[in-house]
Amino acid sequence: GAVVSQHPSWVICKSGTSVKIECRSLDFQATTMFWYRQFPKQSLMLMATSNEGSKATYEQGVEKDKFLINHASLTLSTLTVTSAHPEDSSFYICSARGDGNQPQHFGDGTRLSIL
Amino acid sequence: GESVGLHLPTLSVQEGDNSIINCAYSNSASDYFIWYKQESGKGPQFIIDIRSNMDKRQGQRVTVLLNKTVKHLSLQIAATQPGDSAVYFCADNFNKFYFGSGTKLNVKP
Repeated sequence: GAVVSQHPSWVICKSGTSVKIECRSLDFQATTMFWYRQFPKQSLMLMATSNEGSKATYEQGVEKDKFLINHASLTLSTLTVTSAHPEDSSFYICSARGDGNQPQHFGDGTRLSIL
Repeated sequence: GESVGLHLPTLSVQEGDNSIINCAYSNSASDYFIWYKQESGKGPQFIIDIRSNMDKRQGQRVTVLLNKTVKHLSLQIAATQPGDSAVYFCADNFNKFYFGSGTKLNVKP
């Protein structure tokens, strides 16, 4: 149980393109979803937290107009990297959590490469 | 602990030995802790969790110890196997989930 699916797993696109990443909880209702960014050999850095039906809460230094998050249902959250540039290239990982004090369950990440 | 993007320390152990990975957290209000394992190119995988009303919890080949006095958490892996090679993160739940800097475990055959 507690499977989180993230799609796509890998995307390469030109500078200036907007890229959407989907995160789905397959067998549970995700009250809260989290989006992380990870650079090579570093820890996960929390970008934003989203609760179903409300606006995402962004961490300090994360541009909300650059990284658009939508959590429209209890099983789906999306992250859109708008007008992506090479410095946005990274490994993006989502996680989902049900109600209460529960562990997060992670997707397998999306490797984004901007040329 | 709060992730600050630190580079990962490495622990090298011989196959069959026990491994101990440590983590410190900063907020005494944290009451729920989780250990995750991340293999290269994948998302973190849940290993074991512990709540603050316990100081020890055991799983299959893994044990988590919690010392609230010094705000320290450890993960013990018994009879370490090559498949245990990965990066291990601890996380706490205070307000939001923040990840410790992680430890890379190398298992030597």
